[in-house]
Amino acid sequence: QKEVEQNSGPLSVPEGAIASLNCTYSDRGSQSFFWYRQYSGKSPELIMFIYSNGDKEDGRFTAQLNKASQYVSLLIRDSQPSDSATYLCAVHAGGTSYGKLTFGQGTILTVHP
Amino acid sequence: DGGITQSPKYLFRKEGQNVTLSCEQNLNHDAMYWYRQDPGQGLRLIYYSQIVNDFQKGDIAEGYSVSREKKESFPLTVTSAQKNPTAFYLCASSIRDEQYFGPGTRLTVT
Repeated sequence: QKEVEQNSGPLSVPEGAIASLNCTYSDRGSQSFFWYRQYSGKSPELIMFIYSNGDKEDGRFTAQLNKASQYVSLLIRDSQPSDSATYLCAVHAGGTSYGKLTFGQGTILTVHP
Repeated sequence: DGGITQSPKYLFRKEGQNVTLSCEQNLNHDAMYWYRQDPGQGLRLIYYSQIVNDFQKGDIAEGYSVSREKKESFPLTVTSAQKNPTAFYLCASSIRDEQYFGPGTRLTVT
């Protein structure tokens, strides 16, 4: 059973701080990794994806991938109350599993003023 | 305006009735997917389709059926055989591995 694990939280950070969200995966052959943001009652929105080891930055978001340790993380700098949401980690196994993503259960992030 | 549309936003049905959820995309994506999400849970894959007239079962296909007669459309039927159909249903389409979601349909069966 291929698994993606996230700490369900809630993770609470003050406004302006760095929020760090972590995700581990069991399939060592996984090729691509995604972070989705989901506001309460809404559908998930793709905010970051990463394919190679290392860091990828986009605005206030940085995705970090370490394939040897099988973890991927999302850092949110200068956190704002509007960042309060559930963050879903998703992993694509590659190979013949065309387009199939395995999702973690999500981490609830609360940014308080 | 490109995107994925799902209708209706809310749907109420009596137990024992089949119901069809609509999903349409104008992004010219080849692949489309159906997920369900239960409260406090991640997304679970029901069915997916890589090309027209072809689809595969996901992890929880029992009690569901789909068709893919057009590239733009991937409707999902929730049959009376689905034991716990009340959930938030999400349709997605993808280019390469990047999946983009529609707004979802919240189905309540009583």
